[in-house]
Amino acid sequence: DIQMTQSPSSLSASVGDRVTITCRASQSISTYLNWYQVQPGKAPKVLIYAASILQSGVPSRFTGSGSGTDFTLTISSLQPEDFATYFCQQSDRTPLTFGGGTKVEI
Amino acid sequence: QITLKESGPPLVKPTQTLTLTCTVSGFSLGTIGVGVGWIRQPPGKALEWLGAIYWDDDKQYTPSLKNRLTITKDTSKNHVVLTMTNMDPVDTATYYCARRLRVWTVSRNSYWNFDFWGRGTLVTVTS
Repeated sequence: DIQMTQSPSSLSASVGDRVTITCRASQSISTYLNWYQVQPGKAPKVLIYAASILQSGVPSRFTGSGSGTDFTLTISSLQPEDFATYFCQQSDRTPLTFGGGTKVEI
Repeated sequence: QITLKESGPPLVKPTQTLTLTCTVSGFSLGTIGVGVGWIRQPPGKALEWLGAIYWDDDKQYTPSLKNRLTITKDTSKNHVVLTMTNMDPVDTATYYCARRLRVWTVSRNSYWNFDFWGRGTLVTVTS
């Protein structure tokens, strides 16, 4: 199985801050990497797919980059609605696997 | 408008079988390039992919749970059903269903992602 390792596991930030989350795959996955936002009581939401393509309707303050084994999700200016847990997920091969999550707190 | 909604019992006893239904709307389970996956999240833990079923009835399961899982679909009813046998307290989690969509990029590469999710249903396994 491909292991996905996210860091940090949690972070504290303020509105307006730039936030960066990293995700590392245990083997090369090209750009088969997705990012999701999960908030309590809400349906999870895909933010980025194919490592860097912004999902339709997602604000442009979210950007993804990377290929191979190292990936990054950046929020350029944190907004109140962005406080959530973020997960990376590889779609290169089954079993599909997720990172451990990064909780972004105020 | 695309929606998915999970339904099923909130409480299950150890050794029992869990049956969850995902009711979809706004798309057809028979559309080429579309599947529905099941993902769960134990309280305070990470997301875990369980399996998926596709338009052509192809199925995938995570190896660690393969012997306990069955996923089926009824295209006419817009339902996808997850069955998990021999439930244990460690299976306590929020269970999500999500549409898995194949997307083609301008470079003619295809990528799969879970583009729409249900809100999830919490299943607690306790005697």
